[in-house]
Order: sequence, then structure tokens, then C-alpha cells
Amino acid sequence: DQQVKQNSPSLSVQEGRISILNCDYTNSMFDYFLWYKKYPAEGPTFLISISSIKDKNEDGRFTVFLNKSAKHLSLHIVPSQPGDSAVYFCAASGTRSARQLTFGSGTQLTVLP
Amino acid sequence: EAGVAQSPRYKIIEKRQSVAFWCNPISGHATLYWYQQILGQGPKLLIQFQNNGVVDDSQLPKDRFSAERLKGVDSTLKIQPAKLEDSAVYLCASRNSNTEAFFGQGTRLTVV
Repeated sequence: DQQVKQNSPSLSVQEGRISILNCDYTNSMFDYFLWYKKYPAEGPTFLISISSIKDKNEDGRFTVFLNKSAKHLSLHIVPSQPGDSAVYFCAASGTRSARQLTFGSGTQLTVLP
Repeated sequence: EAGVAQSPRYKIIEKRQSVAFWCNPISGHATLYWYQQILGQGPKLLIQFQNNGVVDDSQLPKDRFSAERLKGVDSTLKIQPAKLEDSAVYLCASRNSNTEAFFGQGTRLTVV
């Protein structure tokens, strides 16, 4: 049973446009959400996070939105750059789970020059 | 700051053989995780250590997998005997109370 789902395995976007990556979760105990970015042959690197007490967090070109009632979060990248091409993983954790991360299956983002 | 170091980067073994992976976390990070990432899936937690104690190993297949972190620093993950379905990337991550988890580059295991 997948508790964190990323239903789009891939996404292609033109350079300069907005990239929107989506993630859904089922476990109501999750209260902290993260996005990790992964290049080939490297480990995932932390990108941005959001606590369940917020509905938006921004860091430069990256913004994460959280809709708790819909159990949905999204990552917006504006403007998209070719260097953003990578696999993006959505992850979630609960306060009581010692910050163990449950990951989605990832979305391959390709930014076309 | 040095990152999480893992070795080897790649390993090919035959089924029923044994294999061991090594992880050196970021200095000062008390929490260490081992994740298994099967191709096309997200990383799945195998075991979590806090210093040299196990916090959670509920998803570790204990009939064949074992892990230790004897001095609360380096950690090893062992598989004995390996099965074909163990082919995956094994990721080590570490964190402290003020950071998110930092991941190593992983060890890609192929069981033939």
C-alpha cells in the first residue's frame, strides 16, 4: 500500500516555463513533507520542505504548496532551467516516526532548452 | 563539510552469495538510515539507528539482512544469502536534530 504517490512518472517542460510536480498521500499522521532531487548516479539531495501548519513555503525558484484537506502537495519551479532536469521525489514523515521518510516513486523532470 | 560516504559504488554477486556495504555518515550526525531503492521506485527504509542503537528495523528482512553501527559512527549492512530480488541501490543517509537527511551516492547491487 503506497502511502505517498506520485502519479506522473515523467514531465517535460520548456525552459523558462513553470514546472508543476504533484504528490498525494494517504496517511493522516504525516505532518512534514519534503522534496528531494536526484541526479543519475548520485544520492537524493534535499530541496525544500513544508510543515503541516503551513500551506506554502518558498525558496527562490522553488515553491511547495500543501493542501491538507485533499492530502495533496505540489512543487512549482519557476522559471525552469535545463539544470533542473532530474528525478524529483516527494517524501513525508510523522512527528512520532522519528522523522523516517516515506518516499513516492519519483517524477522524471526534463527541461528542454 | 564532507558528505555521507558509501562503498563500494557497485557490486555484482551471484544469488546465495553474501555481500556487505559500508557507510560513513556526516561527522556529528547521530541518526543513520539505510534505504533500499528498487529500480522505478522510491527509497524504502530498511533500518534506522540513533547513535549505536536501533530505532526501527521493522522493514528489514531479518532472515537475510543484518546491520550494525557498533561505535555509533560507521555502519555496515549485510545480505546473506542474496536473492535476485535484492538487486537495488542501497542508500545510506544521516542527519542530526537540526538538519534534513543527507544521502550518500549509494551502492548499486546486482544479483545474478
